[in-house]
Amino acid sequence: DAGVIQSPRHEVTEMGQEVTLRCKPISGHNSLFWYRQTMMRGLELLIYFNNNVPIDDSGMPEDRFSAKMPNASFSTLKIQPSEPRDSAVYFCASSPRNTEAFFGQGTRLTVV
Amino acid sequence: GQQVMQIPQYQHVQEGEDFTTYCNSSTTLSNIQWYKQRPGGHPVFLIQLVKSGEVKKQKRLTFQFGEAKKNSSLHITATQTTDVGTYFCADPTSGTYKYIFGTGTRLKVLA
Repeated sequence: DAGVIQSPRHEVTEMGQEVTLRCKPISGHNSLFWYRQTMMRGLELLIYFNNNVPIDDSGMPEDRFSAKMPNASFSTLKIQPSEPRDSAVYFCASSPRNTEAFFGQGTRLTVV
Repeated sequence: GQQVMQIPQYQHVQEGEDFTTYCNSSTTLSNIQWYKQRPGGHPVFLIQLVKSGEVKKQKRLTFQFGEAKKNSSLHITATQTTDVGTYFCADPTSGTYKYIFGTGTRLKVLA
């Protein structure tokens, strides 16, 4: 397996634009997580899916953020409209139940 | 809400010195995991501790779970430049399997 795959690896966008980050989890993993990492706030859990169903989105900072998981092999995190303070590295991770979390390479988002 | 704090936030050591990072939870943990993130990389799983007072070793790394299962530590003996990175503890939150990561300790090893 190629591991958790995220795209794009880097994204630079202008304030106000819509940004969509994509994630393909490891096949067979039933949990998927979106994290945001910044120097100031560390590694924050944004949302967590189990069997494609959003279980906990309490970490989603604002209504500008939304996440979907239409099937077991794909998830998106959308920011609309984007703001400079959204600049961060966004990680997707997947996990089989009760074991380790496997992280993707991350998407470095810069909003100018 | 649930919080997992780590100390120190940063640590600079000379190569060959030992290093320890501590993880403290506001709640009792069912188990705890440790991850390492190299600069520019992504977190990678190191180990999971489950039992009260458990101690596990991986070469120069020693992991310990507190007796009350509210704290944990990672000790590196004789650090090497390859140990550079940020070390995170994580609470898998058994029952919900929602991984909450600690604040992390960034280790820099000076050659």
